[in-house]
This record gives sequence, structure tokens and C-alpha cells, in this order.
Amino acid sequence: TQLLEQSPQFLSIQEGENLTVYCNSSSVFSSLQWYRQEPGEGPVLLVTVVTGGEVKKLKRLTFQFGDARKDSSLHITAAQPGDTGLYLCAGEGNYGQNFVFGPGTRLSVLP
Amino acid sequence: DAEITQSPRHKITETGRQVTLACHQTWNHNNMFWYRQDLGHGLRLIHYSYGVQDTNKGEVSDGYSVSRSNTEDLPLTLESAASSQTSVYFCASSESWDEQFFGPGTRLTVL
Repeated sequence: TQLLEQSPQFLSIQEGENLTVYCNSSSVFSSLQWYRQEPGEGPVLLVTVVTGGEVKKLKRLTFQFGDARKDSSLHITAAQPGDTGLYLCAGEGNYGQNFVFGPGTRLSVLP
Repeated sequence: DAEITQSPRHKITETGRQVTLACHQTWNHNNMFWYRQDLGHGLRLIHYSYGVQDTNKGEVSDGYSVSRSNTEDLPLTLESAASSQTSVYFCASSESWDEQFFGPGTRLTVL
């Protein structure tokens, strides 16, 4: 089983601050996804990264896939209360099986 | 608009009872998935299906079963509910592993 670890587990910041959350594994992934989940709802896909070193931007969110395809980061610039939620990374192994989710980073952005 | 729905949204049952959770999608996706979400574990895959009459075991399949008689539905059955199966259950559908659309979840309590 390929495991994904996420850090930090919890993060509470003030509106306007920047932050970075991490997703790490000892295994190589063919792709990694980032989802955001709000209370009482299912996860919603934010982005998929496929190529080692790839950087994708989604408004104030910047996603990076590590060169070795074992880790990824999510950077939020000027966080807003609407960014509050559980951020999950998920990955598909090199052989198309063992799709796994990380435990998530719970972000709280205070006004 | 296409969607994925789950019912019931909340269920309380007793140990030993059979329980079925419904999942219905109108995306016309071939792939459907069932996950459970518990604190500290993230989302764990229970069963998945690549199409009608196809079902596969995931990471935590013991005590659960699914059947796929049509494209739209993948009901999850707990044959004899146990307290360890108290959790939030999410159904998802997709055309590929890396872009899954999730339902709103079912909160199941086994007393």
C-alpha cells in the first residue's frame, strides 16, 4: 500500500496570511490530486498534477509536484475565510492501482 | 445538471442489522467508488466498480458488499453492522481515478 502523509495536521491563521501545506510519500505516484472538503460535504477536486516539477495555479492557490513525483505542496497567498476547510491530497500509484488519500490538513482562516 | 446523490444522509442502526446505503449518479460515469472517512485516517476505499456487473475490493472491504446492476447505482451493504463501522460514507464516480466526483456523504451510527 502506498501511503500519503500530510502536514501540518491542523493550521489556524489570520486572514491575509500566506501558508503552505505538504503531501509526502516514500512512493512514486503517477499523478497527485488536491481536494478541498467543507463540513458536511464531499471532497471537491481542485487540481491534478502529473509531471515531476509541474506547477499549477488556481487563483491564489499554487500547487507543485515534486521532481521525483513523491511529494506535493499547496501554497495559498493572502488566505481568506472562504479557504477554510479540509485539504486532502490523493494519488494513483504507478501501475494504476492503490489509489489512496492522505489524512488531510484542516485549515481555519480567521477574519 | 449531472449530480451524485446519497441516501439516507443520516442513519442510526443496531449491531447485527443489515444496512444498505444508496448511491445514484447521473454523470453516466463507468467508475464508481465507496469510501469511509474517519478522523486520522482520511478517506479509505471500501469497494469500487469499473462498470455494470464489475466490482472490486478496496483497502477496507471486510464486512461490506456492493453490486452494480446498472450504470447509475452502486448500493453499499453492511451485512451485519458492527460498531467499528460507525463512520461517514462517501460515494464517488468518475471516468478516471484522478478526477472523482463525490456525493454529500451518509453519516452512519451503529449502536
